[in-house]
Amino acid sequence: SQQGEEDPQALSIQEGENATMNCSYKTSINNLQWYRQNSGRGLVHLILIRSNEREKHSGRLRVTLDTSKKSSSLLITASRAADTASYFCATTWVYGGATNKLIFGTGTLLAVQP
Amino acid sequence: GAGVSQSPSNKVTEKGKDVELRCDPISGHTALYWYRQSLGQGLEFLIYFQGNSAPDKSGLPSDRFSAERTGGSVSTLTIQRTQQEDSAVYLCASSPRDWYNEQFFGPGTRLTVL
Repeated sequence: SQQGEEDPQALSIQEGENATMNCSYKTSINNLQWYRQNSGRGLVHLILIRSNEREKHSGRLRVTLDTSKKSSSLLITASRAADTASYFCATTWVYGGATNKLIFGTGTLLAVQP
Repeated sequence: GAGVSQSPSNKVTEKGKDVELRCDPISGHTALYWYRQSLGQGLEFLIYFQGNSAPDKSGLPSDRFSAERTGGSVSTLTIQRTQQEDSAVYLCASSPRDWYNEQFFGPGTRLTVL
């Protein structure tokens, strides 16, 4: 399977704390994205980092990428109860005739306690 | 504007029956994707449509699965002779054009095969 892996599988923190999730992938990539999913339904795009970037910020989100280790991390600072959701990393590889499909990681279930 | 819509939101069927799942992408989006999310397999790519190009069917798990996209807009995913292992949430996503990185997801159809 091409699917990446995320750890931890589940994370429980208190409001105001930071949450860090890690993603490892198997193939070459041209970008890596993070998506959020509430209640097992539709996914919402959070942030994208390209293969030639090492760090990216968006609001309370910080993403890092280490292509030599085929890994990425998502940091959510000052977490809120509303951040409770599942978080997935997803990679794309569009060269060699491959299409722009997303290869997802296994996901991290984040619970933020009020 | 309107997002990606999917119908039905829930579908319960008996083993051996055929089912059709519908996806209405965001107006003007030329790329359309189907994914499946199940407990055992996580989030996996099924099929991809881009304009008038031949679809990428590389993710379809068996020949019981097929999909079409009419007029470059609405897509239907058909599962023939459903099996219990087909039970999953089927997610549709669209994006403005090929190679556009972010994908916009619908709320999904939860399929239960009894």
